[in-house]
Amino acid sequence: QKEVEQDPGPLSVPEGAIVSLNCTYSNSAFQYFMWYRQYSRKGPELLMYTYSSGNKEDGRFTAQVDKSSKYISLFIRDSQPSDSATYLCAIKTTGAQKLVFGQGTRLTINP
Amino acid sequence: DSGVTQTPKHLITATGQRVTLRCSPRSGDLSVYWYQQSLDQGLQFLIQYYNGEERAKGNILERFSAQQFPDLHSELNLSSLELGDSALYFCASSARDSGSSGYTFGSGTRLTVV
Repeated sequence: QKEVEQDPGPLSVPEGAIVSLNCTYSNSAFQYFMWYRQYSRKGPELLMYTYSSGNKEDGRFTAQVDKSSKYISLFIRDSQPSDSATYLCAIKTTGAQKLVFGQGTRLTINP
Repeated sequence: DSGVTQTPKHLITATGQRVTLRCSPRSGDLSVYWYQQSLDQGLQFLIQYYNGEERAKGNILERFSAQQFPDLHSELNLSSLELGDSALYFCASSARDSGSSGYTFGSGTRLTVV
């Protein structure tokens, strides 16, 4: 079983829709949760960072962590064509050096 | 521009050859991480250096090695290359050892082994 599971998609939605992206993880020791956005042929770019449980909002983006269910989500409101990219969740335990990444979900926003 | 510089951007080489990928971290960052990204495996952690010392090792093959120099730039050496080594290789950096608030990635080196 992989440490982090993420549906690779692809996911295609119309412009203006609310997008929900999700990951599940297996190790309850994970404490740090991140979402990265990766455009084609570019490096991943950090979008959101959350420690432990709860919600975090930044503009049109909201990150949610449910540690009881080992489930993390990224919501994108009023989606734009420029949001078309691959979204990767990444998690880490306290004291560990590495981030563990999900497979990434390829998202397309259609005008 | 993320501030993390990777060279070269593209590399095409033959099986059995050896290549060196270079990374300059963001100014002020002491940690450098190397990741390999392939279509079927996603982003896989290879190795981390902090201020010149190896800190963590992931799924790095024995044919691969890395080092971080006193000026904090890092090099990833890949030898006896095989077709399956074709992938995107990313370098990332963070200010601290743990990278708990995330890394900054470079644009990657696309390696094609023919």
